[in-house]
Amino acid sequence: QVQLVESGGGVVQPGRSLRLSCAASGFTFSDYGMHWVRQAPGKGLEWVAGIWYDGSNKYYPDSVKGRFTISRDNSKNTLSLQMNSLRAEDTAVYYCARDLEAGSTFVLDYWGQGTLVTVSS
Amino acid sequence: SYELTQPLSVSVALGQTARITCGGNKIGSKNVHWYQQRPGQAPVLVTYRNSNRPSGIPARFSGSNSGNTATLTISRAQAGDEGDYYCQVWDSRTSVVFGGGTKLTVL
Repeated sequence: QVQLVESGGGVVQPGRSLRLSCAASGFTFSDYGMHWVRQAPGKGLEWVAGIWYDGSNKYYPDSVKGRFTISRDNSKNTLSLQMNSLRAEDTAVYYCARDLEAGSTFVLDYWGQGTLVTVSS
Repeated sequence: SYELTQPLSVSVALGQTARITCGGNKIGSKNVHWYQQRPGQAPVLVTYRNSNRPSGIPARFSGSNSGNTATLTISRAQAGDEGDYYCQVWDSRTSVVFGGGTKLTVL
């Protein structure tokens, strides 16, 4: 069965960096696009990054463009999110999610359980 | 930027039909996807591309989309259907957009 397991969350000071990882199993990782979605405490869902199956295309909303970088290692079935210049408003649970297809349909058919990132001094 | 509007809450009696709406400008021209998030859990895709159901999702969940409103309909509501529901579209300028979420209560 499809499994997505996030790691790397924790408490970080404003302005610092953090790298999240997502270990995928139960499917052919290199056949699917992938995404990161976050949810601030008590708030709704916010998409933060997407990447094609082969890493050739990447997408970001304006709120994180230039600060966050999504990447993948298909040889290790791993998705990553490098987050720089973190702000208090980046505090959230970060979910890794699989795209329905190889490119980016932006339909998120499987989600991990999330990892909490807290930006605080 | 493109915006999606959902009611904050919807209540339904056990066994009855719940309808959760998602409003957006000409949303009928877009593909709408719906996610269920039970308390303390990750979201789950319940319908996609307006009216398709992923494998494992009961036929009680159905979607429709026309004009300026998309609707998720949950028939024969059960206690296990309680949670937050989010609509989502892709917009050429805003990219992925989620609605603010609707809390479903089964009475």
